[in-house]
Amino acid sequence: NAGVTQTPKFQVLKTGQSMTLQCAQDMNHEYMSWYRQDPGMGLRLIHYSVGAGITDQGEVPNGYNVSRSTTEDFPLRLLSAAPSQTSVYFCASSYDTLNTEAFFGQGTRLTVV
Amino acid sequence: GQSLEQPSEVTAVEGAIVQINCTYQTSGFYGLSWYQQHDGGAPTFLSYNALDGLEETGRFSSFLSRSDSYGYLLLQELQMKDSASYFCAGRGGGGNKLTFGTGTQLKVEL
Repeated sequence: NAGVTQTPKFQVLKTGQSMTLQCAQDMNHEYMSWYRQDPGMGLRLIHYSVGAGITDQGEVPNGYNVSRSTTEDFPLRLLSAAPSQTSVYFCASSYDTLNTEAFFGQGTRLTVV
Repeated sequence: GQSLEQPSEVTAVEGAIVQINCTYQTSGFYGLSWYQQHDGGAPTFLSYNALDGLEETGRFSSFLSRSDSYGYLLLQELQMKDSASYFCAGRGGGGNKLTFGTGTQLKVEL
């Protein structure tokens, strides 16, 4: 029972590089989301999706793109990495938009130098 | 938009009872949930209140008052392993986004 799988767990990027953080869930959940977590700032919503083909911006979307071509996958793309994007990134999913029990991946610790 | 405010830090002794408060401002609110996160780990779901009142799950209880836009998590018989960060979260607004509070770091001491 895999749940929500995020890869990679750790990543170091140089300023200006691009990369994709992968997120996959095997629970047939409609709702998926990406958060970043910085010290003292809790979990801030980057982008979210209420189903395949539908995405929308959260609180801090600048510098990030997402797509949802399948129910299972919700990758997060950093277009041109900046030191301000150094953070821990979490992917989460829940059954639908009314269910508040979210299941989280183990996180990706990203450092941009 | 939505915002949920929590105290940044709470300290209590082993065996005691502690309450972590959460006040929120949100539109189209669908209930309040609580998550626990240990250092280096991922948040895990603890409880959910859709209606006003108290929900009990073992040593943990959660309370919601929608008229006061307020909720709390009550932890009883504190154990060292309860040392963690606790987040309230609410779903609402456009797309029924799940928004998290600022988080409370609980330190349990001997």
